[in-house]
Amino acid sequence: GNSVTQMEGPVTLSEEAFLTINCTYTATGYPSLFWYVQYPGEGLQLLLKATKADDKGSNKGFEATYRKETTSFHLEKGSVQVSDSAVYFCARTTGGGNKLTFGTGTQLKVEL
Amino acid sequence: KAGVTQTPRYLIKTRGQQVTLSCSPISGHRSVSWYQQTPGQGLQFLFEYFSETQRNKGNFPGRFSGRQFSNSRSEMNVSTLELGDSALYLCASSLGGTYSYEQYFGPGTRLTVT
Repeated sequence: GNSVTQMEGPVTLSEEAFLTINCTYTATGYPSLFWYVQYPGEGLQLLLKATKADDKGSNKGFEATYRKETTSFHLEKGSVQVSDSAVYFCARTTGGGNKLTFGTGTQLKVEL
Repeated sequence: KAGVTQTPRYLIKTRGQQVTLSCSPISGHRSVSWYQQTPGQGLQFLFEYFSETQRNKGNFPGRFSGRQFSNSRSEMNVSTLELGDSALYLCASSLGGTYSYEQYFGPGTRLTVT
């Protein structure tokens, strides 16, 4: 079926450290891929997206590249800040329309 | 542009009751999707409405239903509430159409069933 697998958290980093959160998806169809971020007590915010193989999504210093050969969409940031502390969700489109399948989420904690 | 709004933000209900949640999409958006978020199951897709028609449906029992109005506002209803229905219910809107996949989420309605 269609699924998304994320690395388990929490991930704890010091400020200015390099971040990688792994995400892989099942190779069914030609999905669009997304990263969403959720801050405590809030809904999800779209962080970045990629709609086809080799596309790179980027926003606010975060990047992710759609890798069809490895069915991956890993999230990276060169230098994290305390304000990046949140839960990050990887997601893929499933079937037609706007149905999204989400990973389990990865909590990121950034400390001074 | 105003974002996606959901009302109410918090709700406490008793087992067996029913509840209606409301979602107003971003102006111009014609698709509204609903998701349930729980610590155990994560984010799960409930259904999507586009132009007042249900376009997609997740694997939830028939107690969960929804509808969309001509102004694209959407409501979801849960009948005969169970303790396990306690969750954050999120709605998301997008322009709709075949390839409009950018979805924007509201803040959610936190439902507690006692």
